[in-house]
Amino acid sequence: DAKTTQPNSMESNEEEPVHLPCNHSTISGTDYIHWYRQLPSQGPEYVIHGLTSNVNNRMASLAIAEDRKSSTLILHRATLRDAAVYYCILIVQGNTGKLIFGQGTTLQVKP
Amino acid sequence: DAGVIQSPRHEVTEMGQEVTLRCKPISGHNSLFWYRQTMMRGLELLIYFNNNVPIDDSGMPEDRFSAKMPNASFSTLKIQPSEPRDSAVYFCASSFFAGGTYSNQPQHFGDGTRLSIL
Repeated sequence: DAKTTQPNSMESNEEEPVHLPCNHSTISGTDYIHWYRQLPSQGPEYVIHGLTSNVNNRMASLAIAEDRKSSTLILHRATLRDAAVYYCILIVQGNTGKLIFGQGTTLQVKP
Repeated sequence: DAGVIQSPRHEVTEMGQEVTLRCKPISGHNSLFWYRQTMMRGLELLIYFNNNVPIDDSGMPEDRFSAKMPNASFSTLKIQPSEPRDSAVYFCASSFFAGGTYSNQPQHFGDGTRLSIL
């Protein structure tokens, strides 16, 4: 499975937008980009996914570069509850269901 | 709607004892995954089932670990005998696989079982 690279940690102020980057330079044309997050003492939580076009849902937006070698998860207004580890994961077309979690980005939100 | 339900939430037992972790997936989901999380190795997939059939168990660490899914609403992960290095948080997740690919299907995780082997 293709590899992703994320910063180890980021900080944000409450109620400000947060842009979480992910590099995936070896992505292939049919790999989906998924984002999950894990709040303290909880299981991972699905956030959003996309293939080529930018995606929006109630939790976040996903901006995918035109060459698909990078993507950005956007939290429009960070809250204290958004403090978590965010994982960017590539899933191969026809994948057997295996999510390969890297180290992710630990997001700290300051009041 | 009820999410994925795992039990127990916490388990503390002595080395050598049998441990059984339980999972109830979301109703209507036909795929179930068992993951383990440790500080050293992060989150890793142990085994997953599709329509109650084990599909990939390559992540199961050794023969001491076994998993079953007797029906669509229940799965167990068993460790016998348990060892201190098995101490971890074990997560169960479920998903709906409509055929073709998993690549655009989100997985829904339970809150995990925190296992401590003394």
